[in-house]
Amino acid sequence: SQQGEEDPQALSIQEGENATMNCSYKTSINNLQWYRQNSGRGLVHLILIRSNEREKHSGRLRVTLDTSKKSSSLLITASRAADTASYFCATAEMDSSYKLIFGSGTRLLVRP
Amino acid sequence: DAGVIQSPRHEVTEMGQEVTLRCKLISGHNSLFWYRQTMMRGLELLIYFNNNVPIDDSGMPEDRFSAKMPNASFSTLKIQPSEPRDSAVYFCASKNFGDGLRMNTEAFFGQGTRLTVV
Repeated sequence: SQQGEEDPQALSIQEGENATMNCSYKTSINNLQWYRQNSGRGLVHLILIRSNEREKHSGRLRVTLDTSKKSSSLLITASRAADTASYFCATAEMDSSYKLIFGSGTRLLVRP
Repeated sequence: DAGVIQSPRHEVTEMGQEVTLRCKLISGHNSLFWYRQTMMRGLELLIYFNNNVPIDDSGMPEDRFSAKMPNASFSTLKIQPSEPRDSAVYFCASKNFGDGLRMNTEAFFGQGTRLTVV
């Protein structure tokens, strides 16, 4: 079963613009992670934010976490055509942190 | 390290045949996940192991599906008999579960096996 729902399902932007993707989840979590998947490939880990953190940065990525609202957002700044991919959030549930449940994903298209 | 290795990359089989998917974990990792990805259902967690022990197989769709970890570095997912609705991309992922402060770790995915059952 899927833990999270992501919004929007698809996003199309111009190169150089920022892209924001949102993730909502249902249960208490230990951490939340974002992954990227290029077409036909496996998922690649981008960033992890712990339940006691509110914001985290990694290069052009910024992740926020609001545990009271059970939601997270991923911001990609100054997007590039190479950022075109699907992006998934995954939650590690509080009761068994090694169980990773993925959301439905956002398909991002960055137009050159 | 070559990362998580899955084989085969592609598998086409006839309905009713047995299918075995294989996964080699990253050395030193002790948690193993099998996921199935389809357009309709997204990424579904089928089963995960910790230290070779199946922890949760509630995502396994039917008794036709079985998974094993004969040793710490290798796992198989078997479908017998296969059906057309099993067609999907199957991913395995491994991570180091760690302990205490090291519980927050990422998972590493293989490239997946694209299964087509005709």
